Amino acid sequence: DAGVIQSPRHEVTEMGQEVTLRCKPISGHNSLFWYRQTMMRGLELLIYFNNNVPIDDSGMPEDRFSAKMPNASFSTLKIQPSEPRDSAVYFCASSSHGGGYTFGSGTRLTVV
Amino acid sequence: DAKTTQPPSMDCAEGRAANLPCNHSTISGNEYVYWYRQIHSQGPQYIIHGLKNNETNEMASLIITEDRKSSTLILPHATLRDTAVYYCLPMDSNYQLIWGAGTKLIIKP
Repeated sequence: DAGVIQSPRHEVTEMGQEVTLRCKPISGHNSLFWYRQTMMRGLELLIYFNNNVPIDDSGMPEDRFSAKMPNASFSTLKIQPSEPRDSAVYFCASSSHGGGYTFGSGTRLTVV
Repeated sequence: DAKTTQPPSMDCAEGRAANLPCNHSTISGNEYVYWYRQIHSQGPQYIIHGLKNNETNEMASLIITEDRKSSTLILPHATLRDTAVYYCLPMDSNYQLIWGAGTKLIIKP
């Protein structure tokens, strides 16, 4: 099993541009989580899906952020328009039936 | 939701056992305690979890007090590669892990 796969690993973009982060969960896992990590705020849960359905998006900071999970093997987190304060490491994690999470390697986003 | 308290940092000599404490006095009866660690720039890595009984795997041992108000993660023979931030996390009834600040463990040669 290749684990949770995130792409890209690094993204540098200009303020105002659209950014799309991608995640492929572990096959068979039914829950998917998007996290953001910064030095100031630590790990923050943005949104999670259960069986491809968004369950809790209360952590999404504002309307500029959106997430989709069109099927069990793929999810995206989109920021439009991006701002410098969105700079962070974004992690995707998946789990099976309430078990422990497996995290991806993260996407380091820098908005200049 | 249950909250946890961990010391912000700890040191341990290489080759010795590292004992990381966690207080979770508000944990409910059906909430598991999970331990993760995060090595610099990497995603958090699962270590171990438990409910009531002590647990052991190839990475660590988990000792949970009888009243479940606290637990200790034990790395039996710490190496330099065990330097990381260690998180003690309850899993709530919605199967969500509740992240705190963790303990920064530094293994010294």
